Amino acid sequence: GQQLNQSPQSMFIQEGEDVSMNCTSSSIFNTWLWYKQDPGEGPVLLIALYKAGELTSNGRLTAQFGITRKDSFLNISASIPSDVGIYFCAGQRRTGNQFYFGTGTSLTVIP
Amino acid sequence: KAGVTQTPRYLIKTRGQQVTLSCSPISGHRSVSWYQQTPGQGLQFLFEYFSETQRNKGNFPGRFSGRQFSNSRSEMNVSTLELGDSALYLCASSESGLQETQYFGPGTRLLVL
Repeated sequence: GQQLNQSPQSMFIQEGEDVSMNCTSSSIFNTWLWYKQDPGEGPVLLIALYKAGELTSNGRLTAQFGITRKDSFLNISASIPSDVGIYFCAGQRRTGNQFYFGTGTSLTVIP
Repeated sequence: KAGVTQTPRYLIKTRGQQVTLSCSPISGHRSVSWYQQTPGQGLQFLFEYFSETQRNKGNFPGRFSGRQFSNSRSEMNVSTLELGDSALYLCASSESGLQETQYFGPGTRLLVL
């Protein structure tokens, strides 16, 4: 099925640095979700976005629903070692109820 | 509320066998979706059930099937297992599946030998 374009594919950063990743689609989405997945576990929801232009924070995480409704961004400020994991975006169109997933961004935080 | 639960967490099968995985959604959630996750393919959508009916189906062969019970619990079945079916199978639930947040279970790790 369709997958979203998520970048970067992987990131290696120093503890304390900020992180930015994004997700783009050729289709318009009405819902954007961001998840974090640890090895061998299911994805855990971080932030949900429902309106174009919406900016939502969850602690050090901030996500935005792109104004074109074809993209979304996730920022992590002042990264810490426990931020390590794979981050996925997911989008849902206005019609239908299937979620489409990004290919994931693998984050490594170097202490 | 309890989260999404999946059983079993780990499973080892041999080629040609069949397997049934179970998912209990969050209480009150009526939509259950199943995904296959592999390192090479990422998260691939299998199917979605709502009120005991399959509403959406991904691009998987007929060996993959599912069902949903009246209490919203769902099962997926894979028949005639192949080596390539080794993966993490994830189930996710939401209230109605429409414009809502989807919550994942911990997954079932299937290894086919």
